[in-house]
Amino acid sequence: QKEVEQNSGPLSVPEGAIASLNCTYSDRVSQSFFWYRQYSGKSPELIMSIYSNGDKEDGRFTAQLNKASQYVSLLIRDSQPSDSATYLCAVRRYSSASKIIFGSGTRLSIRP
Amino acid sequence: GAGVSQSPSNKVTEKGKDVELRCDPISGHTALYWYRQSLGQGLEFLIYFQGNSAPDKSGLPSDRFSAERTGGSVSTLTIQRTQQEDSAVYLCASSSGGLAGDTQYFGPGTRLTVL
Repeated sequence: QKEVEQNSGPLSVPEGAIASLNCTYSDRVSQSFFWYRQYSGKSPELIMSIYSNGDKEDGRFTAQLNKASQYVSLLIRDSQPSDSATYLCAVRRYSSASKIIFGSGTRLSIRP
Repeated sequence: GAGVSQSPSNKVTEKGKDVELRCDPISGHTALYWYRQSLGQGLEFLIYFQGNSAPDKSGLPSDRFSAERTGGSVSTLTIQRTQQEDSAVYLCASSSGGLAGDTQYFGPGTRLTVL
């Protein structure tokens, strides 16, 4: 079992709709969760981080964390063509000596 | 200030040669990570440095791979006797090293091609 799992996609969503991206993780002691966006040929950049159960909103983005079920999701409202990218989920244990593990990413395509 | 920088941006080498990849983290960042990304794949963790602690080398795929971080700043990833399967983009990231809110800032990567 991979430590961090994501559906590779591609996920195709019409412009203006809500895109929903999901991620599950295997280590129950994980405490920090991140969503990165990576455009083709570019490096990943952080969109959101979340540490507590529930929802966290930032503009059009909402991260949702459910530690009991060991999943974290990212919702993108009013999807735009510029949101087309690969979205990487990353997980870290709550320790200064712990690494951050990435999922394989979900490719999102917003169709006009 | 400047972001994370990596050099070279591209490296083409012949099978069996050794290569060195360099990463300059953001000034003051105590944590430094190396990842590998093959075409169309996710990020594969290689090694993690945090301050003066022993590095987490659990992701290094073989003993041909090694990394060091001098003076808590610049890091070099060395691949000995390169193989074609080593071809990938090697990404370096740094962070402030806090227990939480540990945002990673990525460099532009080094694209390694082993012929």
